[in-house]
Amino acid sequence: ETGVTQTPRHLVMGMTNKKSLKCEQHLGHNAMYWYKQSAKKPLELMFVYNFKEQTENNSVPSRFSPECPNSSHLFLHLHTLQPEDSALYLCASSRGLAGGRDTQYFGPGTRLTVL
Amino acid sequence: AQKITQTQPGMFVQEKEAVTLDCTYDTSDQSYGLFWYKQPSSGEMIFLIYQGSYDEQNATEGRYSLNFQKARKSANLVISASQLGDSAMYFCAMTYSGGGADGLTFGKGTHLIIQP
Repeated sequence: ETGVTQTPRHLVMGMTNKKSLKCEQHLGHNAMYWYKQSAKKPLELMFVYNFKEQTENNSVPSRFSPECPNSSHLFLHLHTLQPEDSALYLCASSRGLAGGRDTQYFGPGTRLTVL
Repeated sequence: AQKITQTQPGMFVQEKEAVTLDCTYDTSDQSYGLFWYKQPSSGEMIFLIYQGSYDEQNATEGRYSLNFQKARKSANLVISASQLGDSAMYFCAMTYSGGGADGLTFGKGTHLIIQP
């Protein structure tokens, strides 16, 4: 596997379910990110992890719970979601360079539908 | 706060023509990075090109070039000799000079359709 992978690619869940999204990067990067892409809205940053430490939580509801056990893996645990949480969830990774020089590389995304 | 504006929701271009996708940005930071990404219908966000705020020359990557006009705060993407495979959503994004691992701010995107 190369680059950034995400599983599952598609997920349908009920509002009372608990599920997890997985992201893995094979680029030797130090930082990982979760973004949400809803229809007709720009991509929204959700969480940032740098060297396994969460450095940013962009006012995300607590029904989304991230986990970063190491620099290569990132999870997004989901519980009691709402239909408006249906979206494409994109994971990205980067080296974590300062000075605006940090290029992020994205995975293929998980398309989530909440019934 | 940063802001990215893409004023072209959709564009139709004939194959082999050059196309310019507009992007303007707003930031109070002195050091920042500007990026363009391509998103085909499959959903993956593909990195195309990067321009640093202190770079004096416009960035180029194959058929892609970035027309960077710092005083006007614009960072337009130019695709030369367009191909049918260029049909996709294109997003302009920026990051700022934080301590590293800073999130990207994205524009709303431009849907580019290349016609044969």
